[in-house]
Amino acid sequence: DIQMTQSPASLSASEGDRVTITCRAGQSISTYLNWYQQKPGKAPKLLIYAASSLQSGVPSRFSGSGSGTDFTLTISSLQPEDFATYYCQQSYSTPFTFGPGTKVDIK
Amino acid sequence: QLVQSGAEVKKPGSSVKVSCKASGGSVSSDFVSWVRQAPGQGLEWMGRIVPMFGTTNFAQKFQGRVTITADDSTSTVYMELSSLRSEDTAVYFCAREGRSAAAGSFDSWGQGTLVTVSS
Repeated sequence: DIQMTQSPASLSASEGDRVTITCRAGQSISTYLNWYQQKPGKAPKLLIYAASSLQSGVPSRFSGSGSGTDFTLTISSLQPEDFATYYCQQSYSTPFTFGPGTKVDIK
Repeated sequence: QLVQSGAEVKKPGSSVKVSCKASGGSVSSDFVSWVRQAPGQGLEWMGRIVPMFGTTNFAQKFQGRVTITADDSTSTVYMELSSLRSEDTAVYFCAREGRSAAAGSFDSWGQGTLVTVSS
């Protein structure tokens, strides 16, 4: 199985801040990397697929980059509705695996 | 939209079957996966099916204990987990995979079904 790690595990930020979350794969996964946002009691929501493609309807302040083993999710200007937990997920091979999550809360 | 069945409370050693119905569309030719989330924990992929063909694959961790089936005529996918133990207490989500460049990503999710395993 491909292990996924994320850093940081949590972060505190203010509205308007630029936020960057890192995801690392245990082996090269090309650009088969997806990002999700999850709020308490809700299903995850797809933000970015194929490392850098913005899912339809997702605000452009979200962006993704990377290839191989190292990836980043950036929120250019944090909005109140962005406080949530973010997960990366590799779709290079089954079993699909997720990172442990990064919780973004209010400073 | 994917609509799942309601919460379940089960005894250890029993089985649970959760349904996921596609409303307003079909998932016949799409991969539909099951992902679970234990309380306060992360996301764990269990397995998937293509309803039109009935083809499945599973995470090895769940092999032999999970069954995923589909009724293409009603656009419903089912996940059955047997030999339940307390560690199976979790919210179970169904999710549809995207196509083409989005293959392997989950672009549509059910609302989740809480399964509680307790004696």
